[in-house]
Amino acid sequence: ETGVTQTPRHLVMGMTNKKSLKCEQHLGHNAMYWYKQSAKKPLELMFVYNFKEQTENNSVPSRFSPECPNSSHLFLHLHTLQPEDSALYLCASSQVEAGDYNEQFFGPGTRLTVL
Amino acid sequence: GQNIDQPTEMTATEGAIVQINCTYQTSGFNGLFWYQQHAGEAPTFLSYNVLDGLEEKGRFSSFLSRSKGYSYLLLKELQMKDSASYLCAAMDSNYQLIWGAGTKLIIKP
Repeated sequence: ETGVTQTPRHLVMGMTNKKSLKCEQHLGHNAMYWYKQSAKKPLELMFVYNFKEQTENNSVPSRFSPECPNSSHLFLHLHTLQPEDSALYLCASSQVEAGDYNEQFFGPGTRLTVL
Repeated sequence: GQNIDQPTEMTATEGAIVQINCTYQTSGFNGLFWYQQHAGEAPTFLSYNVLDGLEEKGRFSSFLSRSKGYSYLLLKELQMKDSASYLCAAMDSNYQLIWGAGTKLIIKP
């Protein structure tokens, strides 16, 4: 595997279900990100992890719960979601170094549908 | 507040040139990124500008004016495979990316 991988690619769940999205990066990066992408809207940054520590939580509802067990893996645990949470969820990684820009590499995304 | 503006959709002809504009307002500035995203696929990095001027990379060029809060992506010799959404993103003082909603580019034969 190369780059950033995400599983599953598609997920349909009911509002009472619990599911998890998985992301793995094979680039040796030290930062990982979860984004939400809805049609015709800007990418919304949800969570950022630098060196496994969560550094950003952009007012995301508690029904979304991230987990970063190591610098290569990132999970997004989902429970009691709402239909408006249906979107493409993108994972990204980058190498963060002082004074340098961090080009982000994206995974293919998980298309989530909440019924 | 922080904001990125870019056109929602543009149409161009195969073989022609198209310029996609982006204006930004951010708290601090650490550079401007352009990404390409084909339908159903991940965004992929195209260019990065932090200094004023034009950066050329093959058929694609990106321009930045920091004083005007303005950037554009120039695509030359358009090919059908260039049909995609083009995302503009500015990096703020916290090194976080502020994203535009994307410009859907339609290429016609």
